[in-house]
Amino acid sequence: DTGVSQNPRHKITKRGQNVTFRCDPISEHNRLYWYRQTLGQGPEFLTYFQNEAQLEKSRLLSDRFSAERPKGSFSTLEIQRTEQGDSAMYLCASSLSPGNGYTFGSGTRLTVV
Amino acid sequence: ILNVEQSPQSLHVQEGDSTNFTCSFPSSNFYALHWYRWETAKSPEALFVMTLNGDEKKKGRISATLNTKEGYSYLYIKGSQPEDSATYLCAFAYNTDKLIFGTGTRLQVFP
Repeated sequence: DTGVSQNPRHKITKRGQNVTFRCDPISEHNRLYWYRQTLGQGPEFLTYFQNEAQLEKSRLLSDRFSAERPKGSFSTLEIQRTEQGDSAMYLCASSLSPGNGYTFGSGTRLTVV
Repeated sequence: ILNVEQSPQSLHVQEGDSTNFTCSFPSSNFYALHWYRWETAKSPEALFVMTLNGDEKKKGRISATLNTKEGYSYLYIKGSQPEDSATYLCAFAYNTDKLIFGTGTRLQVFP
């Protein structure tokens, strides 16, 4: 297992287009998190899965954002009708239990032009 | 609104200097406090997860302390090296394991 993998690493898209990112967590980790980081800020929580169940979703996540984790393995984050304000680094992390630190992926940097 | 504050925002030190950063967090509904190191072009890496008031943890030259009653944690680096250059993030968990991150302290160590 090589850690948490995110694809793509970079994505440039035109405003109004849909984008989808993928996260492959560490296989034995049942918890998976999505965070977003913009310049000068710390990572902001977006959503969280325990196995395939989406347990919490931030109010930051408008209805243009949706995340899935079918079968409790990999996860996808889709942004519909992208806006320039969606430009950010999207980070995925997984963990085994609440007492453990997160293992982060390298992130997907989204630029909306 | 739950807020995590880190200071200083950035720090430049000479190789060999010791340094410390502060993380302030809400003192109510405490679950855990995490520290991460984030080097440029890499993934954030977990340093410590602390849960008990008075906890002290150490990893090599890096150590951290926790005061949950007053809502602060310190991260210390002894004898800084250029490879310690990174952004150090602290994150607060309340009741669940969802983390609220601070904006980080950016450390640059000059040889």
